[in-house]
Amino acid sequence: AQSVTQLDSQVPVFEEAPVELRCNYSSSVSVYLFWYVQYPNQGLQLLLKYLSGSTLVKGINGFEAEFNKSQTSFHLRKPSVHISDTAEYFCAVSEYSSASKIIFGSGTRLSIRP
Amino acid sequence: DTAVSQTPKYLVTQMGNDKSIKCEQNLGHDTMYWYKQDSKKFLKIMFSYNNKELIINETVPNRFSPKSPDKAHLNLHINSLELGDSAVYFCASSRPGQLQETQYFGPGTRLLVL
Repeated sequence: AQSVTQLDSQVPVFEEAPVELRCNYSSSVSVYLFWYVQYPNQGLQLLLKYLSGSTLVKGINGFEAEFNKSQTSFHLRKPSVHISDTAEYFCAVSEYSSASKIIFGSGTRLSIRP
Repeated sequence: DTAVSQTPKYLVTQMGNDKSIKCEQNLGHDTMYWYKQDSKKFLKIMFSYNNKELIINETVPNRFSPKSPDKAHLNLHINSLELGDSAVYFCASSRPGQLQETQYFGPGTRLLVL
């Protein structure tokens, strides 16, 4: 069975600084990978997803993520964060064979300091 | 025009009561989901329906019963509520058949059992 580990529960950064949110997954088969964002008191919104092809995936709001199969990682990056990026970020994985079932990581809270 | 809507947004009730949460999507999707997010933000899938048919049923107490009157609606009924049921419940929908469809989430229902 697949699993997702988000190594950092909280990441504080200063505004306009770069950020990387780490995600590692475990699966014995090929997977799809996702990053979702949850703003305070709202539902989840898809930031980006990796299905196949290029390992560098660009998403909304200036975020990107790189799929690294050998390290089973899918870290999320942004070169310069804004106050509005303050939110909870969830990495998620689903296996090709059960594409409807998504397993979420425990989330990383990104807090931006002015 | 809310894509995935849930009612109520907040629900405060006593232990032992029975309550329902409603979910509707106007995206024309065939697949709908219920997720539970606990106080530590951990998000776990509970159920998934495809065109009114149950396709995912995780280890959830029998007190939880999903009902799909049509493919645009997936309601969640909870009997004999317990303190541990307090959480945020998210409904989501997706369109099967695509190469890993994006799931669209509702705003959540915050359930507090006293």
